[in-house]
Amino acid sequence: DAKTTQPPSMDCAEGRAANLPCNHSTISGNEYVYWYRQIHSQGPQYIIHGLKNNETNEMASLIITEDRKSSTLILPHATLRDTAVYYCIVRVAWGLGGGSQGNLIFGKGTKLSVKP
Amino acid sequence: EAGVAQSPRYKIIEKRQSVAFWCNPISGHATLYWYQQILGQGPKLLIQFQNNGVVDDSQLPKDRFSAERLKGVDSTLKIQPAKLEDSAVYLCASSLNTGELFFGEGSRLTVL
Repeated sequence: DAKTTQPPSMDCAEGRAANLPCNHSTISGNEYVYWYRQIHSQGPQYIIHGLKNNETNEMASLIITEDRKSSTLILPHATLRDTAVYYCIVRVAWGLGGGSQGNLIFGKGTKLSVKP
Repeated sequence: EAGVAQSPRYKIIEKRQSVAFWCNPISGHATLYWYQQILGQGPKLLIQFQNNGVVDDSQLPKDRFSAERLKGVDSTLKIQPAKLEDSAVYLCASSLNTGELFFGEGSRLTVL
């Protein structure tokens, strides 16, 4: 089962920041937080991941609380193309999870609708 | 760089018929995954290969599903006989030594 809890849906106005929350209260010390998104009729796409420090890349920012029990994915200026289902997943780090630990366990995610 | 290729994109069959899906991973990716995604749910792992060996097939319904990756490159997933509840999108993903997973666009199966 997925180890994360996310709201089923959220709306965001185009051009505004989209803040997607995720709870992962049972996260282990060696587990990272990963975010993927799935645009309609496509496969999931990697966005970002982090352990305990905040992370930023060209797509998004990831804010992880100090106790690591929750995190927020931030899309700073949402566009209509950001409409998708966003999945928050906890897993051991890339390259460290041998065997079946390489798998991603998906929950139902958050359906983000960006509106004009 | 070419992504993960899957075919066919769409398939409609009647129950009790058989179907096969094909996946060609990104070149050099040793790990290959097949996921099943039922409408409204997140993807669920069916089977994971490392080169041509099976790492995890614990959630594969082995009475009707089979998968192979004979030469450690491309892979096929077969369903025989299909049931109504097998209607789903079948996603293939690959990774380099359990690194970031790259997904294909999926094969949508409708069982009537």
